[in-house]
Amino acid sequence: TQLLEQSPQFLSIQEGENLTVYCNSSSVFSSLQWYRQEPGEGPVLLVTVVTGGEVKKLKRLTFQFGDARKDSSLHITAAQPGDTGLYLCAALYGNNRLAFGKGNQVVVIP
Amino acid sequence: DTGVSQDPRHKITKRGQNVTFRCDPISEHNRLYWYRQTLGQGPEFLTYFQNEAQLEKSRLLSDRFSAERPKGSFSTLEIQRTEQGDSAMYLCASSFVTGTGTQYFGPGTRLLVL
Repeated sequence: TQLLEQSPQFLSIQEGENLTVYCNSSSVFSSLQWYRQEPGEGPVLLVTVVTGGEVKKLKRLTFQFGDARKDSSLHITAAQPGDTGLYLCAALYGNNRLAFGKGNQVVVIP
Repeated sequence: DTGVSQDPRHKITKRGQNVTFRCDPISEHNRLYWYRQTLGQGPEFLTYFQNEAQLEKSRLLSDRFSAERPKGSFSTLEIQRTEQGDSAMYLCASSFVTGTGTQYFGPGTRLLVL
């Protein structure tokens, strides 16, 4: 059973469009991280959200942590080809290990 | 560059051979983690160290796998008698003990076992 479910698994959009991807769980987390990973590279941290209902913005990326701290969303405004990548959500499971979802593969077509 | 570094970036080996990977964490971080990622999956936890002590190991870490962090700085992950199922990206991450637990990842070592 996957602790974190990410949807959709794959999303292809045209440059300039908006998109939203989701990370859901039945568990409550003290914090949740979003990473972006490109082929052959390690995950690069985008943001950590801590407080229920928290919204964080990183340029055209908007991250929201659910009020109950069980889910999160990532919204990209006016997507660009450079936004192409695998978006991974992760949360602390147990004391120290990170549990990851399978990721949202986003492809932005020029 | 003060990020997490890993060496080698790529390794091709024949089944049955031993391989060793190295990870250099961010210098101020006293926690170091190893994860494994296979195609189409997110990273899966293998083990972690706090300073030189190995505090937790996943059931994914079979007897053929051993990790060390002898001086509390860099770490090595050795796989003995490699199998084709060991082919994966091996990722290292580091973090502070306190705070939100945010982990910073290295570029990974991609292992292919023929």
